[in-house]
Amino acid sequence: QVQLVESGGGVVQPGGSLRLSCAASGFTFRSDGMHWVRQAPGKGLEWVAFIRYDGSNKYYGDSVEGRFTISRDNSKNTLYLQMNSLRPEDTAVYYCAKDGVSTSSIGWYFDLWGRGTLVAVSS
Amino acid sequence: DIVLTQSPDSLAVSLGERATINCKSSQSILRNSNNKNYLAWYQQKPGQPPKLLIYWASTRESGVPDRFSGSGSGADFTLTISSLQAEDVAVYFCHQYYSIPFTFGPGTKVDIK
Repeated sequence: QVQLVESGGGVVQPGGSLRLSCAASGFTFRSDGMHWVRQAPGKGLEWVAFIRYDGSNKYYGDSVEGRFTISRDNSKNTLYLQMNSLRPEDTAVYYCAKDGVSTSSIGWYFDLWGRGTLVAVSS
Repeated sequence: DIVLTQSPDSLAVSLGERATINCKSSQSILRNSNNKNYLAWYQQKPGQPPKLLIYWASTRESGVPDRFSGSGSGADFTLTISSLQAEDVAVYFCHQYYSIPFTFGPGTKVDIK
């Protein structure tokens, strides 16, 4: 079954850290670029980060650059998002998403999404 | 950053009627080197993640009903649902992947009249 399953969300205080994971199955994970996209409660979608299939290229949205780090372990079919210096405005459902073009270097559209994990930043 | 705007914010259409959603980009997202428009459309139903409907502005994703179609080029794009079904009630987002940071439109909510 082709799927992405996120985990690691929860409640964290401002300034804290959290690491999200995304377990992939049913497709050749090592051949596909991956993204994180977030959605604040009742709001629209915001692209967070992209990592190339081999981990050699990484790109970030302006609001998370320098605070978040995307990584992957192809031997475990798992994508990660390390989030540091969290702010209340980082509160959102975080989705991992598969890139629609295999071996892409900079990312394209998203053809598979997980169900998301909720991160709430609050004191 | 490329800004995408959508119109209308919401619309209500009778079952079987046509629904049209517009997406306008702050700059052209047509790459002349390959003549491709770097635009996708997604459908998001309540409590669910987004689902890819259309990419390259007009290519329908596998398994998506043919009542969904995408058109447009340059900076102006349209998603059309030719005959609205009850299961099409959702929010629809456009997305540009022409340049980083990738951006989304604010969404258009579609309901049944």
